[in-house]
Amino acid sequence: SQKIEQNSEALNIQEGKTATLTCNYTNYSPAYLQWYRQDPGRGPVFLLLIRENEKEKRKERLKVTFDTTLKQSLFHITASQPADSATYLCALDKKGYSTLTFGKGTMLLVSP
Amino acid sequence: NAGVTQTPKFQVLKTGQSMTLQCAQDMNHEYMSWYRQDPGMGLRLIHYSVGAGITDQGEVPNGYNVSRSTTEDFPLRLLSAAPSQTSVYFCASSSRGKSSPLHFGNGTRLTVT
Repeated sequence: SQKIEQNSEALNIQEGKTATLTCNYTNYSPAYLQWYRQDPGRGPVFLLLIRENEKEKRKERLKVTFDTTLKQSLFHITASQPADSATYLCALDKKGYSTLTFGKGTMLLVSP
Repeated sequence: NAGVTQTPKFQVLKTGQSMTLQCAQDMNHEYMSWYRQDPGMGLRLIHYSVGAGITDQGEVPNGYNVSRSTTEDFPLRLLSAAPSQTSVYFCASSSRGKSSPLHFGNGTRLTVT
């Protein structure tokens, strides 16, 4: 069955450093992959989408890579800030119609 | 610009009771879906709809019913609540297109005792 894995342990980094989060998947060949941010008590918020024919996508301090051979996506936040502290979810398309399969998320903690 | 609105925010039910979780969106999105989020399980798809009058099952549909009579509304019905349905429920919507991002509401936290 399809499986998406994200680091279950929280990632602690210092302000100003680059945070790198990993999303691995198996038994699947997604056409695209999405990353979301979720704050406590709130719904996920869309950040970035990358398609299977794209190696890298950037948006301000965010960068996503997609390696379909390794079946892995990396999510980078450069010059991280305490306000970046949240849980980050990766998601793969399931049936189309924007029905996504989500990873369990990785909590990022940025300390001043 | 409300986006996706879910009501209620919190609900406590007794086993066997029924209730409806409301979801409304004002973005004229064709696609809507319901997910539940449990600790250690991530978000799981319950039901989804690609337009008014059209619904289909997701990964964990048992114990839930949906209908879509309008583009704006997509209520989720719990027929006979069970403790296993204690969870946080999120409604999401998106425009037509396979890669359209989801817009989520802020969830309903449901406890079944």
